[in-house]
Amino acid sequence: AQKVTQAQTEISVVEKEDVTLDCVYETRDTTYYLFWYKQPPSGELVFLIRRNSFDEQNEISGRYSWNFQKSTSSFNFTITASQVVDSAVYFCALSEMGPQGGKLIFGQGTELSVKP
Amino acid sequence: DSGVTQTPKHLITATGQRVTLRCSPRSGDLSVYWYQQSLDQGLQFLIQYYNGEERAKGNILERFSAQQFPDLHSELNLSSLELGDSALYFCASSVATGVHEQFFGPGTRLTVL
Repeated sequence: AQKVTQAQTEISVVEKEDVTLDCVYETRDTTYYLFWYKQPPSGELVFLIRRNSFDEQNEISGRYSWNFQKSTSSFNFTITASQVVDSAVYFCALSEMGPQGGKLIFGQGTELSVKP
Repeated sequence: DSGVTQTPKHLITATGQRVTLRCSPRSGDLSVYWYQQSLDQGLQFLIQYYNGEERAKGNILERFSAQQFPDLHSELNLSSLELGDSALYFCASSVATGVHEQFFGPGTRLTVL
């Protein structure tokens, strides 16, 4: 069965600290996609990244970086030099190919609080 | 702004009632997804439509139904409402079926009293 686990429920850091949000997934499929979404206090879900299971290269986008390791079924998200505006709930999600391809299975989310 | 619109933003109703939530996907997107976000269940997939046809079903109650119209907007109908149906309901759209980025609307917050 597919499952996404975000073991960190809440993280609190001080501005300019680096922070890593963990995501571990379970799937029997060999082809799948992983996502990260951000939910700021305003409530909308903002797409951050999509990564397929064949691409294990790390990705960097500004202060954001993602580390995908198939061997440990993890897709961790690091924010470098955190800012107050990064305060939000972050969700990791999994999607598989096949007839139900497209539906997102979300983790429980990690609430990040960045204090000035 | 994701380009996905949802109305209404807030809805307060009583148990036993029926409500309709509306979603307009991003221009050009053919797939619409509905998700429910609640404190105890988290974010859960309900149902997907692609170009007017039901494509995938998740943990959607029998009291809930959805459809996608020829202009691609979608409606989620919730009936015989219970207190536990209080949640944030999101609509998302993507360009096609299969695994693509999904762009989420602002959500409809439903409160059942």
